[in-house]
Amino acid sequence: ETGVTQTPRHLVMGMTNKKSLKCEQHLGHNAMYWYKQSAKKPLELMFVYSLEERVENNSVPSRFSPECPNSSHLFLHLHTLQPEDSALYLCASSQDYRGGADTQYFGPGTRLTVL
Amino acid sequence: LAKTTQPISMDSYEGQEVNITCSHNNIATNDYITWYQQFPSQGPRFIIQGYKTKVTNEVASLFIPADRKSSTLSLPRVSLSDTAVYYCLVGDRGGADGLTFGKGTHLIIQP
Repeated sequence: ETGVTQTPRHLVMGMTNKKSLKCEQHLGHNAMYWYKQSAKKPLELMFVYSLEERVENNSVPSRFSPECPNSSHLFLHLHTLQPEDSALYLCASSQDYRGGADTQYFGPGTRLTVL
Repeated sequence: LAKTTQPISMDSYEGQEVNITCSHNNIATNDYITWYQQFPSQGPRFIIQGYKTKVTNEVASLFIPADRKSSTLSLPRVSLSDTAVYYCLVGDRGGADGLTFGKGTHLIIQP
């Protein structure tokens, strides 16, 4: 799927590192999402941005810090992570934020390993 | 919150039609039903969405009975490449309830 890109595709970091995940959508959408998918678990919604404003924050620890500088870009800043934060982090976008009725377009994900 | 229930796994063979049913007994009037497909280590991909009766596109059909308490995703003539996890989501235009993916159905297609 080239509509939503994520970088890096793989990331290994120590617990004291600071890193950022980047997501870019080329679809002209107004809403962007971060999801976490741990091994053999369902996708967990982390954050939702609509028109660059955060509209959902699903009790995510403060060591995850999102940033949405414009409607095409979304970042997830990581610091002092724990090994249990190792997972596939997925970014998605939709035309607008209308909850479950919107079609979401997902990126390929960033596979994060915390040592 | 409209909770969904799907079979954990299903098996079928190439060339068969596969039907995956999702139960959503407390679906609300404004809720839509959306299905996604996910391959390992990839993001989910939209398959189809419907509100009532039947919806068909180039890859699948979605059957929704009149009471809307369940829905069935129908995949015609599956191939090995249809092996994936399939998620049923139910939600409306008002919030994040419909963004709960659940465990999905792991469909395994054999030769």
